Amino acid sequence: EAGVTQFPSHSVIEKGQTVTLRCDPISGHDNLYWYRRVMGKEIKFLLHFVKESKQDESGMPNNRFLAERTGGTYSTLKVQPAELEDSGVYFCASSQAGRSNYGYTFGSGTRLTVV
Amino acid sequence: GENVEQHPSTLSVQEGDSAVIKCTYSDSASNYFPWYKQELGKGPQLIIDIRSNVGEKKDQRIAVTLNKTAKHFSLHITETQPEDSAVYFCAAWVGTGFQKLVFGTGTRLLVSP
Repeated sequence: EAGVTQFPSHSVIEKGQTVTLRCDPISGHDNLYWYRRVMGKEIKFLLHFVKESKQDESGMPNNRFLAERTGGTYSTLKVQPAELEDSGVYFCASSQAGRSNYGYTFGSGTRLTVV
Repeated sequence: GENVEQHPSTLSVQEGDSAVIKCTYSDSASNYFPWYKQELGKGPQLIIDIRSNVGEKKDQRIAVTLNKTAKHFSLHITETQPEDSAVYFCAAWVGTGFQKLVFGTGTRLLVSP
């Protein structure tokens, strides 16, 4: 089975620009999570979808970040406008419905650099 | 809030030696503790996990121990090999209802031949 797919793998943008990250979860996984790792720090939770609904977005840094999961399949994370401190690696993970920590699988991440 | 502390931040060992990474967590309701290995250019990959109803779990050269009273858990790698070199993250599953992973800050393990 295909794993969690994220693209782009790398993105370099200028401060003030917009970037959209995409995550395709494992087919049939209702739970989808976004995480971020800023250089040298822990991997921090951003938000959690169950199907198309946001269950927990307590980790979203501010209103420059917008996550969507239309149709309950793939998800996008838009940063607009990007700031220098948004640089880091953004990970997506998915897991099976109803058993959130089973089959919890991460994608390879998108490395975002804001210059 | 919930947090997970991880030590050491870097660990250098010789091939064949053992490596131990330690973590503590704050949420006493946490009941699931996975360990992830992240290699360059890849996402975190689950290598072993432990649930709160057991104190130890082993899988070949990797073992994890859990002390719920003290709220700490450890990863033990024996007979280390150069391919074990990577960043290792501990995590704890926190929250009620819909839950999330809270990660430690990572340990960079370097195994020298």
